[in-house]
Amino acid sequence: QQPVQSPQAVILREGEDAVINCSSSKALYSVHWYRQKHGEAPVFLMILLKGGEQKGHEKISASFNEKKQQSSLYLTASQLSYSGTYFCGTEILIQGAQKLVFGQGTRLTINP
Amino acid sequence: DGGITQSPKYLFRKEGQNVTLSCEQNLNHDAMYWYRQDPGQGLRLIYYSQIVNDFQKGDIAEGYSVSREKKESFPLTVTSAQKNPTAFYLCASSVPLRSNQPQHFGDGTRLSIL
Repeated sequence: QQPVQSPQAVILREGEDAVINCSSSKALYSVHWYRQKHGEAPVFLMILLKGGEQKGHEKISASFNEKKQQSSLYLTASQLSYSGTYFCGTEILIQGAQKLVFGQGTRLTINP
Repeated sequence: DGGITQSPKYLFRKEGQNVTLSCEQNLNHDAMYWYRQDPGQGLRLIYYSQIVNDFQKGDIAEGYSVSREKKESFPLTVTSAQKNPTAFYLCASSVPLRSNQPQHFGDGTRLSIL
């Protein structure tokens, strides 16, 4: 049930780009993306709905391919503030109820 | 400002002791959730409630209990049956999941064993 995120960790220099992938074995209704700083609460970034929709938030965007049951998060021209752990949450149907199941996270480190 | 308040921020449990983590929200959300996070791990669902006086077990409910007597409150009790309670606990709330709205998280409670 848990989606698989890749890579598990990535280190970038400020200004470089990164892609974080989220794959599920279950049919997805939507995908949520969150960023968490160490010891803090996860912060919502965006929701992707069915239909291959792509959304953006500052220089962070994402896509959702429902046929492949995958979502990707794109970070362009990364800033130091982008450091943290990124989680995808996949909305799936389990025993007749919608649930949000989170991946294990991708740790992103941005160096000056 | 609306939000979710978790207390305490840090909690220590003795062997054989039950402890209760508080979660209060003033966002008027129907749904509330408890997650457990271990170092380097994702968020695992303990319990969730979609409406007052109703709740369901998540993926790792053993050793935990909850109540939902008020819309604003969803306390989590970590019982002595939970043999490995050391973790970061996050409470969240949302409008019903299919409304395409995000979950809002509290700042968490870090629980450790003495």
